[in-house]
Amino acid sequence: KNEVEQSPQNLTAQEGEFITINCSYSVGISALHWLQQHPGGGIVSLFMLSSGKKKHGRLIATINIQEKHSSLHITASHPRDSAVYICAVASGSRLTFGEGTQLTVNP
Amino acid sequence: KAGVTQTPRYLIKTRGQQVTLSCSPISGHRSVSWYQQTPGQGLQFLFEYFSETQRNKGNFPGRFSGRQFSNSRSEMNVSTLELGDSALYLCASSLPGHSSTDTQYFGPGTRLTVL
Repeated sequence: KNEVEQSPQNLTAQEGEFITINCSYSVGISALHWLQQHPGGGIVSLFMLSSGKKKHGRLIATINIQEKHSSLHITASHPRDSAVYICAVASGSRLTFGEGTQLTVNP
Repeated sequence: KAGVTQTPRYLIKTRGQQVTLSCSPISGHRSVSWYQQTPGQGLQFLFEYFSETQRNKGNFPGRFSGRQFSNSRSEMNVSTLELGDSALYLCASSLPGHSSTDTQYFGPGTRLTVL
């Protein structure tokens, strides 16, 4: 079993839909990162959180340390949100990555 | 501020050769981490450098090495290339502190193809 599991692996949505991507981990962590990767490879850090909830525009990230689970929500999704979303956990001083969730938002 | 830059962007090598990739972090960032991304294994941590010292290393063979210079620029080297080394190599920089608990800023990556 991978230390970091993401679900779903693939997600197709219609523009405007509310989207949730989940991340579960099995190790103790000091922080959790959500990353976005567009075609071509560029990666952008969306959030880093160690507790509670963070919001940036239409994106919301939550983490439950006791349940070892985090969610990334996208409200009012748009085709430009189409990308791979990657969860990464910080354990010690290294990052371990999930396999990513491929999101496609259709107009 | 300029972002993280990586050179070259694309590289084609043959088995047995060696390759050196370069990463220039954002000005003021002293931590540089390197990652390998392949379709089969996803993103994997290679190593992290801070103040010219390797602070952490992932589970990669000794053929993979790196260094950091006094201006925080970093290079990684892969010797005796294998077909499986074909990947996107990404570097990321962050402010002092561990890269795992700081926001990381990624470069565009170097796509290495080994023939």
